[in-house]
Amino acid sequence: DADVTQTPRNRITKTGKRIMLECSQTKGHDRMYWYRQDPGLGLRLIYYSFDVKDINKGEISDGYSVSRQAQAKFSLSLESAIPNQTALYFCATSSGGQPQHFGDGTRLSIL
Amino acid sequence: AQSVTQLGSHVSVSEGALVLLRCNYSSSVPPYLFWYVQYPNQGLQLLLKYTTGATLVKGINGFEAEFKKSETSFHLTKPSAHMSDAAEYFCAVNGAGGYQKVTFGTGTKLQVIP
Repeated sequence: DADVTQTPRNRITKTGKRIMLECSQTKGHDRMYWYRQDPGLGLRLIYYSFDVKDINKGEISDGYSVSRQAQAKFSLSLESAIPNQTALYFCATSSGGQPQHFGDGTRLSIL
Repeated sequence: AQSVTQLGSHVSVSEGALVLLRCNYSSSVPPYLFWYVQYPNQGLQLLLKYTTGATLVKGINGFEAEFKKSETSFHLTKPSAHMSDAAEYFCAVNGAGGYQKVTFGTGTKLQVIP
């Protein structure tokens, strides 16, 4: 089983819909992150959480929200999806002294 | 503030040739530096990292990188390219030290020609 699991792996939806992307981890890490990847732009940080009660905005948080339901679970929501949120989304985890470890991504298309 | 510049969004090499992927960084404090690789339909995997100490770091799959403070560079090399090296490579920096709030470069796609 993967250490960092993202669901769904692929999603196609329509403008205005509410979308939730989920991330769960079995690595026991306290820190979790959401990134989006766009061609030519690399990865950009949306939100990050250093523990269950600590949520922080990244560089591109507008239009997104997150929930840290437990140490092992970190979900990303798009309240009202728009086409320019079409991207590949990655969840990552880390703990003190260790590099970030990534899930396999969710490919989201908004029509 | 911290930033990363990867020179060349696409690099092509022949199988068996030297691989050189360029990365320059900006950081106001001693940085932690990373190279990640992304294969199609997969997440990012850590290739290697520099934190402190020896400036030449070795990673997986025969890759290595050298931290050059005077040039603010952290270029990735491999002496002999293999077909399986075809992927996208990302350089990343954490200027505050540590592994949080890493800033990624825009990526370099490596093509290996038979």
